[in-house]
Amino acid sequence: RKEVEQDPGPFNVPEGATVAFNCTYSNSASQSFFWYRQDCRKEPKLLMSVYSSGNEDGRFTAQLNRASQYISLLIRDSKLSDSATYLCVGHDTGRRALTFGSGTRLQVQP
Amino acid sequence: DVKVTQSSRYLVKRTGEKVFLECVQDMDHENMFWYRQDPGLGLRLIYFSYDVKMKEKGDIPEGYSVSREKKERFSLILESASTNQTSMYLCASGTGGYNEQFFGPGTRLTVL
Repeated sequence: RKEVEQDPGPFNVPEGATVAFNCTYSNSASQSFFWYRQDCRKEPKLLMSVYSSGNEDGRFTAQLNRASQYISLLIRDSKLSDSATYLCVGHDTGRRALTFGSGTRLQVQP
Repeated sequence: DVKVTQSSRYLVKRTGEKVFLECVQDMDHENMFWYRQDPGLGLRLIYFSYDVKMKEKGDIPEGYSVSREKKERFSLILESASTNQTSMYLCASGTGGYNEQFFGPGTRLTVL
């Protein structure tokens, strides 16, 4: 079983829609979580960090549920420019490196 | 702006060749990483380094080695390239395992 699992999608949504992705993790030692965004044929870039209390950045809200071991990303008022692959990422304190999920592809349509 | 550069965007090699992929970062980061990315499998960690001359195996180190002689440079070496090493290779750097990682543009390697 992968340590970080995501639905690969694609999620096809109209502009203006609200869309949510979930990601589950198997390593209960994971302490920190992140969402990265990867555009087609580009490198991943940090979108936002996810902390125990969750956090919001404009149209994006990330939440962490430790009891159920999942992380979510909510995008409100989707824009065409939000079309990308969203990577769920975890880090546990016993390891210096991050663990990436395989990504969820979002396609926002006009 | 953090900049991570990789020596080639596209590379074509033959089976059995020795392949060097170079990565340079300009932000004085202690940690550097090599990943490969394949459809459906996501990013998989090959090796990482948390200091000059230090290295640790990631999840899929077989068939690869690395070198870090200077803080800003981290090289990935395929001693004898095989067709199953055809992939996108991404280098990243960062200040700590739980901090943001900055990625290079990637090298798409094809082994024939």
